[in-house]
Amino acid sequence: DVVMTQSPLSLPVTLGQPASISCRSSQSLVHSDGNTYLNWFQQRPGQSPRRLIYKVSNRDSGVPDRFSGSGSGTDFTLKIIRVEAEDVGVYYCMQGTHWPLTFGGGTKVEIK
Amino acid sequence: EMQLVESGGGLVQPGRSLRLSCAASGFTFDDYAMHWVRQAPGKGLEWVSGISWNSGYIGYVDSVKGRFTISRDNAKNSLYLQMNSLRTEDTALYYCAKDPKGDTTMGRRPFDIWGQGTMVTVSS
Repeated sequence: DVVMTQSPLSLPVTLGQPASISCRSSQSLVHSDGNTYLNWFQQRPGQSPRRLIYKVSNRDSGVPDRFSGSGSGTDFTLKIIRVEAEDVGVYYCMQGTHWPLTFGGGTKVEIK
Repeated sequence: EMQLVESGGGLVQPGRSLRLSCAASGFTFDDYAMHWVRQAPGKGLEWVSGISWNSGYIGYVDSVKGRFTISRDNAKNSLYLQMNSLRTEDTALYYCAKDPKGDTTMGRRPFDIWGQGTMVTVSS
């Protein structure tokens, strides 16, 4: 199975400052169709998860443009340009290139 | 509005069975693959199982193979998870989640819609 490793585990951020979360996979996530199926999810406290980004860098509808995804191969990053209070929660990367589908362990974003 | 509502969770003893259901509304259910994802208390997300639009393709995480069975009834806009031989480590909040694809390309960028989850507690 593909192991997804996120860092850091916890990320205290000052409001208005940037945040960056790293996600690494144990195998390349480049699919035989040429696409890279790395997705990001946000889970706010007490809520169900919500997909933020799919295929590395494509924002879902309604996701603010302060969120961006980048990366390739086995190394990926989620960035928040300026953290707002509503961004508090746990962020998960997830790969859809190989079965079974696997998630990273999560990164908790909190306000300093 | 697209909506998924899970039900069927509860407290069950180890070794017993439970059947979860997920009722879908607001979209054409039989166009899309569906999944179950679980989250143990205070832990991260784990994909459990997925099923294509016509039940022609089904997948499971290794830890539930042979014990859990996913199924769907497109006439009833419903997804199910039959869980047998339950273990304490199956204790989790079980989410139903939609895939934007229906066929063998399912799973690549999944979980665009989530339910609120149903809690399963396995304990003696």
